[in-house]
Amino acid sequence: RKEVEQDPGPFNVPEGATVAFNCTYSNSASQSFFWYRQDCRKEPKLLMSVYSSGNEDGRFTAQLNRASQYISLLIRDSKLSDSATYLCVVNRNTGGFKTIFGAGTRLFVKA
Amino acid sequence: NAGVMQNPRHLVRRRGQEARLRCSPMKGHSHVYWYRQLPEEGLKFMVYLQKENIIDESGMPKERFSAEFPKEGPSILRIQQVVRGDSAAYFCASSPETTSNEQFFGPGTRLTVL
Repeated sequence: RKEVEQDPGPFNVPEGATVAFNCTYSNSASQSFFWYRQDCRKEPKLLMSVYSSGNEDGRFTAQLNRASQYISLLIRDSKLSDSATYLCVVNRNTGGFKTIFGAGTRLFVKA
Repeated sequence: NAGVMQNPRHLVRRRGQEARLRCSPMKGHSHVYWYRQLPEEGLKFMVYLQKENIIDESGMPKERFSAEFPKEGPSILRIQQVVRGDSAAYFCASSPETTSNEQFFGPGTRLTVL
């Protein structure tokens, strides 16, 4: 089992739809959590950090449930420009510092 | 404020040659991370360095690969005697601190081994 697991998708949604991505992590010692976005043949770009209290940035909402070891990302009112791969990222500092990337979920938003 | 810089952006090598990839972190960042991404796959952690120290190299192959981050100058990822399986995108990221700070990525170096 991978330490960080994501639904690989792809998710095909129409413009204006709401889409939710899920991510689970297996190491309870994980300390910090992020969502990144990666466009084809580009570098990953930080979308937002994820906190237990939840955080929102415009159309994007991220949530962390430490008890269930579960992270989510919600995108409202999808735009064509949201089409990308969304990466769930977990940092931990046990047995050495590690950053673990999920394999990513691909999103296609269509007109 | 320049972001993370990597060069070259594209590198072509023949089997058996050496590849040197360079990464200059963002200003004020003292932590550097190297990742490898194979086509259609996720990013795989290779090594984490601070100035003059390798903190964690558990993701790096034991042979042919090495990394350094000298007191002056960029971080270098060195691949000796490259093979076709080394063809990938190599991304560098930097952060000001560990554990809770976000990592910011460079544009990557695309290595092609002929």
